[in-house]
Order: sequence, then structure tokens, then C-alpha cells
Amino acid sequence: EVQLLESGGGLVQPGGSLRLSCAASGFTFSSYAMSWVRQAPGKGLEWVSAISGSGGSTYYADSVKGRFTISRDNSKSTLYVQMNSLRAEDTAVYYCAKGLASTGSSSRNLDYWGQGTLVTVSS
Amino acid sequence: DIQMTQSPSSLSASVGDRVTITCRASQSISSFLNWFQQKPGKAPKLLIYAASSLQSGVSSRFSGSGSGTDFTLTISSLQPEDFAAYYCQQSYSTPITFGQGTRLEIK
Repeated sequence: EVQLLESGGGLVQPGGSLRLSCAASGFTFSSYAMSWVRQAPGKGLEWVSAISGSGGSTYYADSVKGRFTISRDNSKSTLYVQMNSLRAEDTAVYYCAKGLASTGSSSRNLDYWGQGTLVTVSS
Repeated sequence: DIQMTQSPSSLSASVGDRVTITCRASQSISSFLNWFQQKPGKAPKLLIYAASSLQSGVSSRFSGSGSGTDFTLTISSLQPEDFAAYYCQQSYSTPITFGQGTRLEIK
């Protein structure tokens, strides 16, 4: 059974940093791209970042480029996102999601999602 | 970036009704279109991928169609558990983009 478990969320001040983790199980982690998607309170879904199965390719939304860094440790089946220079508008539930392939268009089909972790940016 | 526009934004329907939600892309995305269902406080669930392929384990009352810029999600006979928010998402290119969502409510 595929399982994705996010952790690391919490309350942080504007300008602060946070690192989220997503522990994966039930599939061959290195064979699939992974994404982070966020949802602000009461709002829709916003894709944040993606990484290929090998970790060699990374992609970012303009809203987080230069502030967030996605990475993965395939030996630990864990996905990360390092979030720096956090702003109030980054407040959201952050989901990790598994792609249907390592690269290409199928990697952007997100078939399994974690339960999410809440990040609140406030003073 | 490819913009995705869903309509309607909200919809009231009754159990047993046939419901259609539409999604329009700002440029052609071939069949690179997915549909998700999200219930309050839960993660999104993939229903349809590649415009018309039913995800494993999803009820056959859900179906998708379309290509190019215009797509539809149809629920053939609404069940109580179908009242939720629905999102389309294009997988044609990065950045991945979602529609703004359609909230399906009980009439």
C-alpha cells in the first residue's frame, strides 16, 4: 500500500525558514517523480515544486523560485522541501504527491497524496 | 503558464442526478488533463487521468472526455459520497496548473 506521510509543518515568523519532509513507503521511491502542492485556507490547489525520480531535475512555481528548494534522499525514501524567506502568503497545507512516472508528462499525473502538513507564517 | 478555467464554480444537485463539470485550457494540452475530488479536510484523490482514463479503484459513474482545450467530467448518477470539490489539472507542461475548483453541493 502506498503511503506518504508529511511532517515538519508549524508556526514560523515572516522571513523564517522551515523544512518539510515526506516519508514514502509501498513503492519503489526512486522510480517516480514527486511533487509538493499547497492549499491556502479555503482556497484551491497550487503546485509548488517537483523533482524527477533520480533527483537530477527540479521544477518550481514562480511564486517560490529562489526561496524553496526541493530534494530527495532515495536511500531513505524521503522527499524534502526547504522553505526560506517565508511570507504570509505561504501559509497553507502542504501536500506531497507521487507522480505516475519518473520523468515526462506522466510524472505530472499525481496519483497518491499525503494527508498534508500545515505551515502558518505569522508574527 | 497554462491557465485552467472550470465552470461552474459551484453546483447544487440531488442524489441520482447526472452532473457535468467543464474545464478549459488557455492553450491546447492534447489529452494531458486530470480530474481530482477533494473532500473537506482530506487530500485530493485522482479520479481521471489523461482526460478519459479511470484511475484504479474509482467508481465507473465517473467519466472524462475532451481533448485540446475543452474537457468535461461527468458523474452519471450522484451518490451522497460524491458531494465534494472537484479540480482539473493540466499535466502537459510545468508549471503544473489547476482549475479554481467546482464545489458540488446537495440541493
